[in-house]
Amino acid sequence: GQQLNQSPQSMFIQEGEDVSMNCTSSSIFNTWLWYKQDPGEGPVLLIALYKAGELTSNGRLTAQFGITRKDSFLNISASIPSDVGIYFCAGSIPNFGNEKLTFGTGTRLTIIP
Amino acid sequence: DGGITQSPKYLFRKEGQNVTLSCEQNLNHDAMYWYRQDPGQGLRLIYYSQIVNDFQKGDIAEGYSVSREKKESFPLTVTSAQKNPTAFYLCASRGEGRGGNQPQHFGDGTRLSIL
Repeated sequence: GQQLNQSPQSMFIQEGEDVSMNCTSSSIFNTWLWYKQDPGEGPVLLIALYKAGELTSNGRLTAQFGITRKDSFLNISASIPSDVGIYFCAGSIPNFGNEKLTFGTGTRLTIIP
Repeated sequence: DGGITQSPKYLFRKEGQNVTLSCEQNLNHDAMYWYRQDPGQGLRLIYYSQIVNDFQKGDIAEGYSVSREKKESFPLTVTSAQKNPTAFYLCASRGEGRGGNQPQHFGDGTRLSIL
């Protein structure tokens, strides 16, 4: 199946720092999604991107849909303790109404006291 | 509250036993999905259903079965043929908006372990 390369795999930062993570694909996608997962819970949608070049913000989070449609990045500004968790990118190509998501392997964010 | 409910939260399976994981949604979504998550990995698609009485295999369907008799319910059975069932299982659903496809939203998962 399709592969999504997500980097970095893990990040250790101090509170207040900005964070940047990205996903690249060998195939083009029509939709890019970013989710956050806390331990023992399901992923929660952060940002959805539907158009190449689109830049969307959700509070301190900003994500962009790459022009080539093969990549996306997520930035978090001024990190706070509740940002800790695993962030996943996901891409999809609608196929006759059937949408299947391909997920990245996740970026684990840890805040160092 | 509207949402996706998975039960149980934790489940234990004995060797050779089939177990069924429940997923219910009251969002009136047509599409529902089952994913498996292993440590350090992304989510992998097991089965999905776009409409009642229809479902399709995902990337790792072997050893699993599903049914979709009602719009709000999409149970997953982990059969004895699945030799490595220990994982975190996530159910998702997706609705249709005026702008087209909407993102998938997830339940809180069921953690399955082998006794």
